[in-house]
Amino acid sequence: DQQVKQNSPSLSVQEGRISILNCDYTNSMFDYFLWYKKYPAEGPTFLISISSIKDKNEDGRFTVFLNKSAKHLSLHIVPSQPGDSAVYFCAASEYDRGSTLGRLYFGRGTQLTVWP
Amino acid sequence: NAGVMQNPRHLVRRRGQEARLRCSPMKGHSHVYWYRQLPEEGLKFMVYLQKENIIDESGMPKERFSAEFPKEGPSILRIQQVVRGDSAAYFCASSQGMSNQPQHFGDGTRLSIL
Repeated sequence: DQQVKQNSPSLSVQEGRISILNCDYTNSMFDYFLWYKKYPAEGPTFLISISSIKDKNEDGRFTVFLNKSAKHLSLHIVPSQPGDSAVYFCAASEYDRGSTLGRLYFGRGTQLTVWP
Repeated sequence: NAGVMQNPRHLVRRRGQEARLRCSPMKGHSHVYWYRQLPEEGLKFMVYLQKENIIDESGMPKERFSAEFPKEGPSILRIQQVVRGDSAAYFCASSQGMSNQPQHFGDGTRLSIL
């Protein structure tokens, strides 16, 4: 039933380097993909998203790449900073009735640790 | 999160009691979603509501769980006759309901069942 998969439970990166977080999905009907960051005892915070009509979206240090044929997306963080240490969730959705974003399907998350 | 407000942040109940979780969406948002997170897992969708309407409840257990989003006031997730397996973090999210608008989350309610 896991339609969104994050196969790496953890990733450790040195400050200043690139962090690459990966996500795979199985449902070809997904239209929209999102990345969220989550600190302990807080809710997920929206980071960046991409529509299925694009293959790349960039926002400051964060870039999301979408490869529809491989059903794969990745989040690049450059340069990584210690404050980026958190759990990162990949999520996907279909549009409900063509316009409204429906339920989100989440991966299990990747714990990113950025060390000085 | 100055936007989506959830209360209480922590709730302790004994088996058999009722739990009521509240969610006030961000200003201007009319779409509310509830998710549950078990330890070491991702968030799992439960229910999607608009004002006075349930749009999608496919993730909600058939028994003991109900949700509402009245015309006035917060959205409520109600769990009757709680069991130990209901212990989890429950997150509410809201959106404007427009295309390409992400869901924004509250900080959750941690429900513990004794």
